[in-house]
Amino acid sequence: QQQVKQSPQSLIVQKGGISIINCAYENTAFDYFPWYQQFPGKGPALLIAIRPDVSEKKEGRFTISFNKSAKQFSLHIMDSQPGDSATYFCAASPDNNAGNMLTFGGGTRLMVKP
Amino acid sequence: KAGVTQTPRYLIKTRGQQVTLSCSPISGHRSVSWYQQTPGQGLQFLFEYFSETQRNKGNFPGRFSGRQFSNSRSEMNVSTLELGDSALYLCASSLPGDGGAQYFGPGTRLLVL
Repeated sequence: QQQVKQSPQSLIVQKGGISIINCAYENTAFDYFPWYQQFPGKGPALLIAIRPDVSEKKEGRFTISFNKSAKQFSLHIMDSQPGDSATYFCAASPDNNAGNMLTFGGGTRLMVKP
Repeated sequence: KAGVTQTPRYLIKTRGQQVTLSCSPISGHRSVSWYQQTPGQGLQFLFEYFSETQRNKGNFPGRFSGRQFSNSRSEMNVSTLELGDSALYLCASSLPGDGGAQYFGPGTRLLVL
C-alpha cells in the first residue's frame, strides 16, 4: 500500500520559473513531512521539512505548503535554476517518539532548462 | 562535522551469497535507519536501530537483518542473496530531539548476479 503519493513523476521547467511538486498521504498518524533532493550517485539530502501545526514554511527559494484537512503537501521551488535539476522525494514519518521511519513518495525528476 | 559514511560503496555478489554493509552515523547521532532504493519500488524503509536495539522494522523478509554497536555504528546483513536484492542501500542517522530529521549517507550499491 503506497501511503504517500507524489506527482508529477517528471517535470520540466524553464530557468527562473516555479517548480511545483505535490504529495498526498493517507496515514493520519504522520507527523513530520520532509522533502529530500537526490543527485545521481548521491544519497538523498534533506531540503526542508514541516510539521502539521503550520501551513507553510519557507527556506530561501524552497517553500512547503501543507493542507492538513486535505492530507496534502507540496514543494515550491521559486526562481528554479539548472543546478536544481535532481530527483525530489517527499516523505512522511509518524511522531518522532515512535522512532525514525520515513515513508517516501515515488519521486519527481526535475529538469530545469537554461 | 563529518557526514554519514557507508562502506563499501560498491559490491558485486552472486545469488545465494550473503553480504554485510556498514554505516557510521554522524557523531552524536544515536538512531540509524536503513533504506533500500530500487527503480521499481523506490525508497523503502528496512529497519531502525537506536541504542543498540531495533526500534522499528519495515516489511522485508527475515533474510535482511541488522545490528548496532555501542558506538552507534550499524551493520546490515542480507543472507541468501537474490537477484531482486540488487539495489542502493542507504543508511540515515538522526539526533534525538532533532524533530525527526534524518541525514543520509551516499549508499552502498549492491549488484547481485
